[in-house]
Amino acid sequence: KAGVTQTPRYLIKTRGQQVTLSCSPISGHRSVSWYQQTPGQGLQFLFEYFSETQRNKGNFPGRFSGRQFSNSRSEMNVSTLELGDSALYLCASSQGRLAGSYEQYFGPGTRLTVT
Amino acid sequence: QKEVEQDPGPLSVPEGAIVSLNCTYSNSAFQYFMWYRQYSRKGPELLMYTYSSGNKEDGRFTAQVDKSSKYISLFIRDSQPSDSATYLCAGYNFNKFYFGSGTKLNVKP
Repeated sequence: KAGVTQTPRYLIKTRGQQVTLSCSPISGHRSVSWYQQTPGQGLQFLFEYFSETQRNKGNFPGRFSGRQFSNSRSEMNVSTLELGDSALYLCASSQGRLAGSYEQYFGPGTRLTVT
Repeated sequence: QKEVEQDPGPLSVPEGAIVSLNCTYSNSAFQYFMWYRQYSRKGPELLMYTYSSGNKEDGRFTAQVDKSSKYISLFIRDSQPSDSATYLCAGYNFNKFYFGSGTKLNVKP
């Protein structure tokens, strides 16, 4: 089975711009979660989508948003980029049902640099 | 207070040593506990998960959970330079994962 894929892998943006990141989960997985990872804050949960609905949300401002499509692929959008948004953005997928929800697999991440 | 606390290290050991990585957690409702390994500039890789208390062994790796003291451990036997990575522990409850900050491990040849 193919793993979680994320595109693009690297991105450089300017402060004030917006960015969209994409994630394709493992085949059959219906839950997709997004995380931000920085050296100072570690791995921080952004939100989780299951069957096209946001099921859980972390403590991030409204500039961070996401969506999930009917094929379980997900996108994350950050508007009005700030320097502090520079981070590795990780997508993770799991089956999403009670049985197997705890087996979460990560993609390689998108490294976003905001200048 | 974070739900899962982990010493960031770094932890440096010689090749062949037994490594002990530890986390504490505060949420009694956690159902599952995981360990992830993350190499530099890569995404975390699921190493092992355990349900409730007890031990689970997989090759050179043993995960241990003590729910009475809210303590999670990962033991690596016969450590190898290829084990050099950051190790993240996590607790899981109702579709939410709570991660520790990670411990950086360096195994010296």
